[in-house]
Amino acid sequence: TQLLEQSPQFLSIQEGENLTVYCNSSSVFSSLQWYRQEPGEGPVLLVTVVTGGEVKKLKRLTFQFGDARKDSSLHITAAQPGDTGLYLCAGGNAGNNRKLIWGLGTSLAVNP
Amino acid sequence: NAGVTQTPKFQVLKTGQSMTLQCAQDMNHNSMYWYRQDPGMGLRLIYYSASEGTTDKGEVPNGYNVSRLNKREFSLRLESAAPSQTSVYFCASSEFARSSYNSPLHFGNGTRLTVT
Repeated sequence: TQLLEQSPQFLSIQEGENLTVYCNSSSVFSSLQWYRQEPGEGPVLLVTVVTGGEVKKLKRLTFQFGDARKDSSLHITAAQPGDTGLYLCAGGNAGNNRKLIWGLGTSLAVNP
Repeated sequence: NAGVTQTPKFQVLKTGQSMTLQCAQDMNHNSMYWYRQDPGMGLRLIYYSASEGTTDKGEVPNGYNVSRLNKREFSLRLESAAPSQTSVYFCASSEFARSSYNSPLHFGNGTRLTVT
């Protein structure tokens, strides 16, 4: 059974700090998606990584897919209150969205 | 462009009552999904429809039925609600291409259901 473990579960930081959250598995995935979910809303896709070692940047957010395609990290530089939310990772295999494996998420609070 | 629209936003049911959650997407996506989200359990797939005319069970289908009414609409029915079905329900849609990597999911804003 494929599992995705996210850490930390909760994170509360001050505005301007940097942080990294992790998404780890013992299984190989063909792709890894990161979503952010704000209170009262559905998850929204941030990025998809598909190549081992791939690094993608989205403004202050940097996503990395592990060389072995078993893990991923999300680094936020100079966090802002607007970054507050639940960060979810989802691992998948080619052409099979039904089999997306979801992590439980990291709940991030950025305090002004 | 509305994306994925879910109705209702909130619902309270008594045990044994039935209801249908509605979902519509305007992105011409082939695939649609119903998830439930519970604290400590994360997102769990209830049912999915790869394309119009097909439906398939997900991880937690018991107590639910679905209908893919047309390409745009995918409804979820609770025939006899139970307190264990208290949850937040999300509908999502995506493109579907069997030979490609996973297409991103586009989620609605959820239905918050309480069964007493």
